Amino acid sequence: EVQLLESGGGLVQPGGSLRLSCAASGFTFRNYAMSWVRQAPEKGLEWVSSIGGSGGDTHYADSVKGRITISRDNSKSTLYLQVNSLRAEDTAIYYCAKDHFPNNGRFDAFDIWGQGTMVTVSS
Amino acid sequence: DIQMTQSPSSLSASVGDKVTFTCRASQSINIYLNWYQKKPGKAPKLLIYTASSLQSGVPSRFSGSGSGTDFTLTISNLQPEDFATYYCQQTYTTPLTFAQGTEVEAK
Repeated sequence: EVQLLESGGGLVQPGGSLRLSCAASGFTFRNYAMSWVRQAPEKGLEWVSSIGGSGGDTHYADSVKGRITISRDNSKSTLYLQVNSLRAEDTAIYYCAKDHFPNNGRFDAFDIWGQGTMVTVSS
Repeated sequence: DIQMTQSPSSLSASVGDKVTFTCRASQSINIYLNWYQKKPGKAPKLLIYTASSLQSGVPSRFSGSGSGTDFTLTISNLQPEDFATYYCQQTYTTPLTFAQGTEVEAK
């Protein structure tokens, strides 16, 4: 079964840092681009970042650029999101998601999602 | 950046209804438009990709159409489990923007 399992969320003070992880199973991880999407309380879905299958192609939303780093370890089938200088507006459920098609030079629809990990930024 | 706009932001419907809502891109995105269903406490679920392709396992009452800047999602014969919020997303180019969503509520 194809599965994504996020971890690493929690309560953090403003200005703090977190590293979110997403463990993948059931598919050849290195063959797929991966992404992070977040949903703040009572808000819509917001794309955060994407990374190509090899890890060399990374993209970020303007709202997080400079504070967030996406990475992956294909030997461990794990996706990461390092979030620094956290702000109250970063409070959200963070989902990792898998691209629908294997590496084809573009980012595609997200066909598999994890259950999400909650990040709360508060003093 | 490409802005995505959905309309309406919410609608009320009854079981058995046919509902249609639209998604508009601020510039042409070819057919790189996807639709997701989101229920509270659940992960988003892919319904339609590349404007009109039905994701495996999704009931055939869901259908999508459009190209360029204007797209629609139609749910024919609305079922109780379809009350949810629906989001469109463009994957034409980064940033991969979502629209604000359409909430389908029970009338």
